[in-house]
Formats: sequence, C-alpha cells, structure tokens
Amino acid sequence: DIQMTQSPSSLSASVGDRVTFTCRASQGISNYVAWYQQRPGKVPKLLIYAASTLHSGVPSRFSGSGSGTDFTLTISSLQPEDVATYYCQKYLGAPFTFGPGTKVDIK
Amino acid sequence: QLQLQESGPGLVKPSETLSLTCTVSGDSISSSSYYWGWIRQPPGKGLEWLGSLHSSGRNFYDPSLKSRLNISIDTSKNQFSLTMRSVTAADTAVYYCGRLIGGSLIHYWGQGTLVTVSS
Repeated sequence: DIQMTQSPSSLSASVGDRVTFTCRASQGISNYVAWYQQRPGKVPKLLIYAASTLHSGVPSRFSGSGSGTDFTLTISSLQPEDVATYYCQKYLGAPFTFGPGTKVDIK
Repeated sequence: QLQLQESGPGLVKPSETLSLTCTVSGDSISSSSYYWGWIRQPPGKGLEWLGSLHSSGRNFYDPSLKSRLNISIDTSKNQFSLTMRSVTAADTAVYYCGRLIGGSLIHYWGQGTLVTVSS
C-alpha cells in the first residue's frame, strides 16, 4: 500500500503569516491528493482535491500544489479560525489513506 | 440541505459485532451519483478511511479491514450501514458516515458517533 507522511507534525505561527506544510506519498500518485481541515472538536472538512482545486466555499487564502510524490498546502495569511489539524489523503486506488496530520496553532 | 446522522450502540464488547446506521436526508441514496461510506478516528489520533458503496453495488474497502467489514444500503429507508465483526479495543473510535465523490473524497460528513469497545 502507498503510505502518506506529513511534515511538520505541528507548527505554530502568527496571525498573518504565510504557512506551508507538506505531504509525501511513498509512490507517485499523480495529482490524486486531497486536503482536509479538522478544527478542534469538529468534523473534518474537504478543502482541496486534485492537489490544487479548492472545494466550494473554501477561502482563497488556501492553496495546494504538487504532483507525483510531493504535495504542499499553503495558507497565505494565517487567521485565528485556521487553527486546526490538516490531513492529506491519497485517492489513487483503495485504500484511500490519510496522512497523520499537521497541527497548526497560533503563537 | 444534505444531512447525515449516525446512530448505533456506543459500547460494544470485544469479539462482538459493531453495527452503525447512517440516515440521509436531502439526497436520495438510490438515485444519487455519489458513494456512501465510513471513516473513523480513534481518540486523539488521525483519520482512517474504511470503505464506501454506491447504490449500483460498486464498492471500495480498506483491504486490511475487508474481511471484517460490510457496508450495505437500505434504499427504502434512505440509510446505509456499517457492520464490523470481531471487534477489539483497537476499533474504539469516532465513526463518521459521509457522502463521497468517486468513492474516495468525503465532501459531506455526519457529526460522528463514538463507539467504545470494552467488556
């Protein structure tokens, strides 16, 4: 099975900072990566699919990029409501595995 | 507006069968182009995709769990269900039902239900 890793496992940044974190697949998966946001105590939400396509209603400060094995999620200007854990998911063939997550909080 | 609501026992004994139901409102499972599936999250841990099913019968399962898992649809009640056999403490988790694009991307989630496996 293809494994997904994420780095860093956690980060702390200031409001307004540009924040980038990464997801890596153990084998090439083209652009079959999605990103989810899970705020503390809440249900996960789909943010991005096809590595870079924003899901409906997602703020434009979120962006994704990558192809093959390396993917990034960027928040251009961190907001307090962005405090959450972010998970990547690969969806090229079952199992549609999630990464372990990156936890983002505010300094 | 699409809503999904999980229901089922919050406590299951080891070696027994976990059964959960997801009731869907705002979409018809039988005529929808989407898949319907389950994801879980052990306490304090990450997300685990379990499986999904389309009303046509096409399905996807996590191969590591496939021997213990079954997802089924009841179109008359607009519900779908998860059964997991021979549970252990490692199956303790919040279980989410969802509507999925292509069997894999979860774009609508239920609120989740905690299932604890303990004697």
